[in-house]
Amino acid sequence: QKEVEQNSGPLSVPEGAIASLNCTYSDRGSQSFFWYRQYSGKSPELIMFIYSNGDKEDGRFTAQLNKASQYVSLLIRDSQPSDSATYLCAVTASGGSYIPTFGRGTSLIVHP
Amino acid sequence: DVKVTQSSRYLVKRTGEKVFLECVQDMDHENMFWYRQDPGLGLRLIYFSYDVKMKEKGDIPEGYSVSREKKERFSLILESASTNQTSMYLCASSGKTQYFGPGTRLLVL
Repeated sequence: QKEVEQNSGPLSVPEGAIASLNCTYSDRGSQSFFWYRQYSGKSPELIMFIYSNGDKEDGRFTAQLNKASQYVSLLIRDSQPSDSATYLCAVTASGGSYIPTFGRGTSLIVHP
Repeated sequence: DVKVTQSSRYLVKRTGEKVFLECVQDMDHENMFWYRQDPGLGLRLIYFSYDVKMKEKGDIPEGYSVSREKKERFSLILESASTNQTSMYLCASSGKTQYFGPGTRLLVL
C-alpha cells in the first residue's frame, strides 16, 4: 500500500514569514512529486512539480526533494494571506504509473 | 493552458435518480480520472481511463460507472443516487502531470 503522509495542520505563520510544508512517502521507487494548492470549496491547482533530488524554485515557491530520506517539502517565502489554503502532496510511483497517490493535505493559515 | 471543464458546478438530485457528470479536456491527454473528495477523507479515486473505451476501477467504484467514447470526454454515472454519494466530484486529466477541473458539488436528497 503506497502511502503519502502530511501533517494536517493547521500550520499558522505570520505574513512575510517562510511557510514550510512537508510530505513523506513510502514507495522508495517513486519518480514524480507534485504540490497542489486547494482553496476552500475549489479544486486543486498544480503549483510545483519536481523529479530530481535537490531544490526547484518558482517565484516564492521552492520544492525540495530528498529521495534517500523519502520526503518532499514546499517552502513558501514571504507568505501572504492569499496563500492560506490546503496544500496537497502527490507522488507518482515507479514503473511509468500515471496514477498519483495524494496525501490528505496540510492546512496553511497566514495571518496578517 | 490546460483546460478541464465539468458540466455543472452544483447539482441537486433526489435519491434513486440516475446522475450524469461530464468532463471534457482540451489537451489531448490519454488519461482521465474521477475522484470524490470528502472532509477528512481526502481525494479518493473512483475510476480512471487510459484510452478511449478503456476504464479501470479505482479505490471506491461501487455505485458508479463511467463512459469514455471520445478521447476528450469522460463521464461519471451514478446509476441510482444515494445520500452517501453527496460529495464534491473532481475530474482530472493527465499526461505526466495531473490537472483538475473545477469540481461538481453534488447534493443527493
